[in-house]
Amino acid sequence: DAKTTQPPSMDCAEGRAANLPCNHSTISGNEYVYWYRQIHSQGPQYIIHGLKNNETNEMASLIITEDRKSSTLILPHATLRDTAVYYCIVKVSGAGSYQLTFGKGTKLSVIP
Amino acid sequence: DAGVTQSPTHLIKTRGQQVTLRCSPKSGHDTVSWYQQALGQGPQFIFQYYEEEERQRGNFPDRFSGHQFPNYSSELNVNALLLGDSALYLCASGSGTSKETQYFGPGTRLLVL
Repeated sequence: DAKTTQPPSMDCAEGRAANLPCNHSTISGNEYVYWYRQIHSQGPQYIIHGLKNNETNEMASLIITEDRKSSTLILPHATLRDTAVYYCIVKVSGAGSYQLTFGKGTKLSVIP
Repeated sequence: DAGVTQSPTHLIKTRGQQVTLRCSPKSGHDTVSWYQQALGQGPQFIFQYYEEEERQRGNFPDRFSGHQFPNYSSELNVNALLLGDSALYLCASGSGTSKETQYFGPGTRLLVL
């Protein structure tokens, strides 16, 4: 699976959009971009994933550049409960391949 | 709809002992993966079970072994515990026959003294 690069930490004001970047310049054509987050001492929580089109769900939006070498996770209106470590992971989707390779992620602090 | 559950929540052992951790997957899921998360690090993949067999394994020694039962629940066993085995152990479940993503349990925090 391709490796990812994320900033170690970011701050965001409560109520503002949080934009978390991720670089994955060696991504292959069949690899998806996944985002998980981990609130302190809890298990990671799935947020969203995508292949090449932008995706949106009730939690967030995922913007993937046209060359697929980078992506941005957007939390449209950050709240204090969004304070967590956010992991960007690239892997092949589908049955038979469940290994997620976590890096150190981005620690997002939402500030009142 | 119950999510992924793990037991126990916390555990204290001494070096050289053996430990068994348990995981019940989310309803409808048949694949279980185990991860180890040391303090300040991201989770590291240990292995994955599907149809009661180990399908993938990460870079962990044979002291780490597992089992999956017919009801899809799973156990992680660690023998000859070392101080470095102290970590949060996470279980994740998914569906082996679809592209659905994985969901994680709350973890078991193991402290080896």
